[in-house]
Amino acid sequence: DTEVTQTPKHLVMGMTNKKSLKCEQHMGHRAMYWYKQKAKKPPELMFVYSYEKLSINESVPSRFSPECPNSSLLNLHLHALQPEDSALYLCASSQRGNQPQHFGDGTRLSIL
Amino acid sequence: DAKTTQPTSMDCAEGRAANLPCNHSTISGNEYVYWYRQIHSQGPQYIIHGLKNNETNEMASLIITEDRKSSTLILPHATLRDTAVYYCIVRVRGETSGSRLTFGEGTQLTVNP
Repeated sequence: DTEVTQTPKHLVMGMTNKKSLKCEQHMGHRAMYWYKQKAKKPPELMFVYSYEKLSINESVPSRFSPECPNSSLLNLHLHALQPEDSALYLCASSQRGNQPQHFGDGTRLSIL
Repeated sequence: DAKTTQPTSMDCAEGRAANLPCNHSTISGNEYVYWYRQIHSQGPQYIIHGLKNNETNEMASLIITEDRKSSTLILPHATLRDTAVYYCIVRVRGETSGSRLTFGEGTQLTVNP
């Protein structure tokens, strides 16, 4: 069982919808991450939060909006997505930025 | 971070050792070698990491050559559940506020009965 919990596991949405992905960890980790993974490709980093502050944004389009309301929670708000945004979205956390990352099992997102 | 090169795929018989190679010829002195794996339909899982000495934990062993330009991940007794994509990643392990993992294409290991 993973110690990083992501909800929902699957999400189908239209291009005009607004939805949010949620990630939760209770390991006391202070760094949290969002990755995007297309089919048969490796994960690609999107955002990094450290001590609840955004520290890395890998030039992600503004239709993806991350939020870290507290040290245990990480959200990814979605709005006006495109079909090419369909992918597996993975959340990870680490004790600090230089420690091994623990991943959730992801949210599989489909854009109609 | 230094670039890594791994074979695209490998096969291993169940119960035998699986030896997964990784080349990282441009590695710097302050860069560590990390291994993760991703089983189908799951998130990546951390396996092991090292700087220059060989490392062993309950999952695997990591052998790093003396010049640190390559390494081998060893699963001593592979099982069917070890079938996964294995990623070798090189990155600086300093005190940073939040650091990136740059995944390459990895090696698809298939363990056969």
